[in-house]
Amino acid sequence: EPEVTQTPSHQVTQMGQEVILRCVPISNHLYFYWYRQILGQKVEFLVSFYNNEISEKSEIFDDQFSVERPDGSNFTLKIRSTKLEDSAMYFCASSEANPTQHFGDGTRLSIL
Amino acid sequence: RKEVEQDPGPFNVPEGATVAFNCTYSNSASQSFFWYRQDCRKEPKLLMSVYSSGNEDGRFTAQLNRASQYISLLIRDSKLSDSATYLCAVNKGYGGSQGNLIFGKGTKLSVKP
Repeated sequence: EPEVTQTPSHQVTQMGQEVILRCVPISNHLYFYWYRQILGQKVEFLVSFYNNEISEKSEIFDDQFSVERPDGSNFTLKIRSTKLEDSAMYFCASSEANPTQHFGDGTRLSIL
Repeated sequence: RKEVEQDPGPFNVPEGATVAFNCTYSNSASQSFFWYRQDCRKEPKLLMSVYSSGNEDGRFTAQLNRASQYISLLIRDSKLSDSATYLCAVNKGYGGSQGNLIFGKGTKLSVKP
């Protein structure tokens, strides 16, 4: 069964550094998403992406965050200057035209 | 009122028990509803989409009540492997809009031998 893949599985970064989280969505999917989950809390929407542009973003997705689809397969989330509170699991998801979203196994981001 | 609210749990049940999870949502324009399961420190995995007519998949039955803005999940004959956190998710999109998923905090289920 096709799946969403994310790299790295764990990223440790110093506060203030830039970090890029990578995702390869399912190949025929058109809609791409990033979510995050702070330890012990609920899964929170960050941003959705369709047709090479952001279609929706949450209050969490401020100017420190950006997304890109640099080629036909990758979908990246960049955090420009990381803060301690950015420590979380980051999940990428993708969907076809229907709304059912499939999640990758996540990147654990630890900010020191 | 929170956008998506679930039973706080945890639910501790013996093997073979029937367990029901409830979820309410606040946005009456919501169109798509899902149950995901999440194992500890893992990604949410889609368990079932929830349709107005209700749907069943083996031991799992999901129901939607639009008038009450309420979704349920019933697990019959629970197995040890059902132990996980069950997340209710609602898509706020309308019609063809994909929209984002709004998740509840989840209800933890522990099935004991």
